Amino acid sequence: QKEVEQNSGPLSVPEGAIASLNCTYSDRVSQSFFWYRQYSGKSPELIMSIYSNGDKEDGRFTAQLNKASQYVSLLIRDSQPSDSATYLCAVFNTGKLIFGQGTTLQVKP
Amino acid sequence: DTEVTQTPKHLVMGMTNKKSLKCEQHMGHRAMYWYKQKAKKPPELMFVYSYEKLSINESVPSRFSPECPNSSLLNLHLHALQPEDSALYLCASSQVEGHEQYFGPGTRLTVT
Repeated sequence: QKEVEQNSGPLSVPEGAIASLNCTYSDRVSQSFFWYRQYSGKSPELIMSIYSNGDKEDGRFTAQLNKASQYVSLLIRDSQPSDSATYLCAVFNTGKLIFGQGTTLQVKP
Repeated sequence: DTEVTQTPKHLVMGMTNKKSLKCEQHMGHRAMYWYKQKAKKPPELMFVYSYEKLSINESVPSRFSPECPNSSLLNLHLHALQPEDSALYLCASSQVEGHEQYFGPGTRLTVT
């Protein structure tokens, strides 16, 4: 069983819609959760971190964490074509950041 | 400022060459990382330095040799690489282990 799982996509949404990206993790003791955005040919860029259950909002981005269900999600409101990228979910566990395979998001004008 | 710098941006080397990758941060971070990333795959951890000491080596072949000369600098020494080692090499840093990691732009390495 993979430690961090994401749907590889592509997830296609129209411009202005809400994009919902999901991630599950296998180790219940994980404490820190991160979302990175990676454009093709570029390095990962940290967009959100979340450490406790509930929602955390930053501009158009909302991260949601449910430790009981071992589930973390990222909502992008008012999606723009510039949001088209691969979104990596990452979970910190035993000294390491463990990445999911990434979800490719396509925002269509 | 969350800037991590890496040099060079691109590197082409033969299998008999010796080269080094350099990473620098001036954020006062005490944890630094090397990752390798192949196309359409997530970053793969290679090494972790915490307070200038090597804390994790993910069973990386000895042809990759990390070095942390001081709290701001991280090097990756390369020798006798194989073509399959061609990848994007990413450096990252965080305040301490477990906190947000910030990535540098990477070095695109091609082994011929």
